[in-house]
Amino acid sequence: DAGVTQSPTHLIKTRGQHVTLRCSPISGHKSVSWYQQVLGQGPQFIFQYYEKEERGRGNFPDRFSARQFPNYSSELNVNALLLGDSALYLCASSSYGRDEAFFGQGTRLTVV
Amino acid sequence: DAKTTQPTSMDCAEGRAANLPCNHSTISGNEYVYWYRQIHSQGPQYIIHGLKNNETNEMASLIITEDRKSSTLILPHATLRDTAVYYCIVRVGGAGGTSYGKLTFGQGTILTVHP
Repeated sequence: DAGVTQSPTHLIKTRGQHVTLRCSPISGHKSVSWYQQVLGQGPQFIFQYYEKEERGRGNFPDRFSARQFPNYSSELNVNALLLGDSALYLCASSSYGRDEAFFGQGTRLTVV
Repeated sequence: DAKTTQPTSMDCAEGRAANLPCNHSTISGNEYVYWYRQIHSQGPQYIIHGLKNNETNEMASLIITEDRKSSTLILPHATLRDTAVYYCIVRVGGAGGTSYGKLTFGQGTILTVHP
């Protein structure tokens, strides 16, 4: 079975640009969450979507937005990129009523 | 979600049991203990979770004290591939949890398994 897939795997952007990261959950999973992991720290929660609705938001600025599509895939958008946005962005999917989350390999974003 | 405290790092010899402690003294009655690990450059991987009873699966065992203020993750026969950062997370679990999607990661414990 395919796990959580994220694209692209690596990305380099310039300050001020915007970026779109994509995530495909495990088949049958309707919940997708996004996390940011800065080097040397644990992942930090950004968003959770379930059934195409936002169900949770972490302490991130409005430059960060996300959406979930009818096929339950998701996009994370970041506008006006800052150097501090350089991080590993992780997507996790889960099945409602189940407690374990399954993470993708992440997208490594470098802002220069 | 309750805060957890873990040692920064631990070492373990290959083939021996690795016992990773976690303190969660402010845990609430409806909060579960979860363990995830993250091998270098990969996404976190779910290991095990429990409420108050000890749990065991193919990867590990979870021992939760009777007062639920601390727990220990046990890898019974550690291998080099178990070298990773281990995260202990406490949150409301199950279908009724309003925060079921959110995991609050701390710094975790860097476990190094050496030959």
